[in-house]
Formats: sequence, structure tokens, C-alpha cells
Amino acid sequence: KQEVTQIPAALSVPEGENLVLNCSFTDSAIYNLQWFRQDPGKGLTSLLLIQSSQREQTSGRLNASLDKSSGRSTLYIAASQPGDSATYLCAVNDYKLSFGAGTTVTVRA
Amino acid sequence: EAGVTQFPSHSVIEKGQTVTLRCDPISGHDNLYWYRRVMGKEIKFLLHFVKESKQDESGMPNNRFLAERTGGTYSTLKVQPAELEDSGVYFCASSLDRGYSPLHFGNGTRLTVT
Repeated sequence: KQEVTQIPAALSVPEGENLVLNCSFTDSAIYNLQWFRQDPGKGLTSLLLIQSSQREQTSGRLNASLDKSSGRSTLYIAASQPGDSATYLCAVNDYKLSFGAGTTVTVRA
Repeated sequence: EAGVTQFPSHSVIEKGQTVTLRCDPISGHDNLYWYRRVMGKEIKFLLHFVKESKQDESGMPNNRFLAERTGGTYSTLKVQPAELEDSGVYFCASSLDRGYSPLHFGNGTRLTVT
């Protein structure tokens, strides 16, 4: 059974600081890993998808890395802004998504 | 393109009543998934359709839950009779293929059973 862990559970940083969110998973036999953002009362917005054969994926200020053999992924958000405040979820796809509990990020203006 | 649409967005029902949730996937997406988040827990998989066929319903909690996808388009998830522990947010997602394409999620239906 796939177990996904996200550390830290919560993070508060001043505006402009870089964010580092960690995700670990127990079974490396995955197709891909997806990072999502969830705002309060809203659905899940897909941020990045990394296929199992890839090492990283970038979109604007976001960069996600994947080390499948060690069961780890990291989401980096450069130069954080107050609008980045949200819960970030990591989900591992081994034919169905297994989610971590999320990291709640607060960026202080 | 239109995203995944779910309705209602909120539903408050009494224990013992029936509720039906609906999901309209992105047009052309054969794969449709239902997930659920109960208070304080991670989002958990419920079941997966490919077109109108159930591929995996290993996450369905019990036989009070019934999902259908007639014609391979929209899907419904019925809870009958509802219990207090069914409260939570029910998400629907769709994807082009299973395994490689990203899943696109709807905004969810918040179900409260009183």
C-alpha cells in the first residue's frame, strides 16, 4: 500500500523567500507524481506533473524534482508572494493517486 | 476547454436520507475518478471508471455507496442511506489516459450529514 508523507505540515515565510516543500512515498513503482494547490473551499489545481522517467519539471517560479529510487519529490517555489498562500498536495500515481496530507503555506506580506 | 464540473457544491442532509452527487468530466476524457476527503484526513481514492465500466472500486467504503457512469459521460455517486461519517468533500477527476496524463479535479461537493 502506497504511503505518502509531506513535510512540513505548515510553513510560514516572509514574502520573497524561497519555499521548499517535501514529499516522500514508500513504493517507487509509480507512473508519475503530481503536485496540486488547493485554496480554501476550492478544488485542486494541478501545478506540475513529473513522469517517472523525468528528474524535474519547471513552470515559471515552480520547480519540482523527483528521485524515484529514493521515493522523494521536492517542490521549490522561488520568490514567494502572498498569493502563493495555499495548501500544496503531493499525489503519487501508481494507477490511482495516493495523496499526502499537504503542506499549508502562508506567505506574509 | 471546460473543466471538471461537480454539483451540487454543497449538500446538507439528515442521517438516513439519500444524496446523489454528479460529476461532468472534461469532454473526451474516458477516465473518471471519485475521491473523498473526510475531516482531518488525506484525500482517498474511491473508484475509477473507464468509459462506463468500473475498473477499480476498491476504495468504496461500503454498499451504501453506488457510482454509475451511464453512456460513459457524466457520473453520479449516490449515498443511501447517509450516515454521519459520510460527511466530507467528494472530488471528481478525469484524465485522458490512466497512468500518464494528469488528473484534472473539480471543485468538489461538500457533504454534511446531520
